[in-house]
Amino acid sequence: EPEVTQTPSHQVTQMGQEVILRCVPISNHLYFYWYRQILGQKVEFLVSFYNNEISEKSEIFDDQFSVERPDGSNFTLKIRSTKLEDSAMYFCASALNQPQHFGDGTRLSIL
Amino acid sequence: AQSVTQPDIHITVSEGASLELRCNYSYGATPYLFWYVQSPGQGLQLLLKYFSGDTLVQGIKGFEAEFKRSQSSFNLRKPSVHWSDAAEYFCAVGSPTDSWGKFQFGAGTQVVVTP
Repeated sequence: EPEVTQTPSHQVTQMGQEVILRCVPISNHLYFYWYRQILGQKVEFLVSFYNNEISEKSEIFDDQFSVERPDGSNFTLKIRSTKLEDSAMYFCASALNQPQHFGDGTRLSIL
Repeated sequence: AQSVTQPDIHITVSEGASLELRCNYSYGATPYLFWYVQSPGQGLQLLLKYFSGDTLVQGIKGFEAEFKRSQSSFNLRKPSVHWSDAAEYFCAVGSPTDSWGKFQFGAGTQVVVTP
């Protein structure tokens, strides 16, 4: 069965550095999402993306965050200047029809 | 305001015993409803979904869930748990009027299985 793949599985970054999290959605999917899960907390929506533009974003998704679909296969989340509170598991999801299919996540640790 | 509540943060169950995880939602209309499972260090795996129709839905790994409109609930059940069912379980809702909109997740229920 096709899967959403995310790389890297674990990213360690110094505070203030830029980080790019990568996702390869399922190939025929059209809708793409990023969620995050701070340790011990619920999964929170960050942003959705369709037709090469953001469909919806949460209040978490401020100017430090950006998303891009640079080619036909990748979907990236960039955090421009990381903060300690950005430490979390980040999940990518994609959908053609409901439900959304989730990747295994990237654990981001900010030092 | 829309919300998803999983009242039980932590449940301990003996292997072979039955399991029921609760999920309640507050929503303007009947939302799309989902249960996901997350094993340690893993991603979110879909167990089952409800869009409409038969209120008892079957999922993978022997799980089922029942939608009860009158109680705004979508509880997950398994008749006999296995040690491999130890994981965190998340209830999620999606909007039926925004089919590709965001999911809202509950806080999760951690399930521990004892021998």
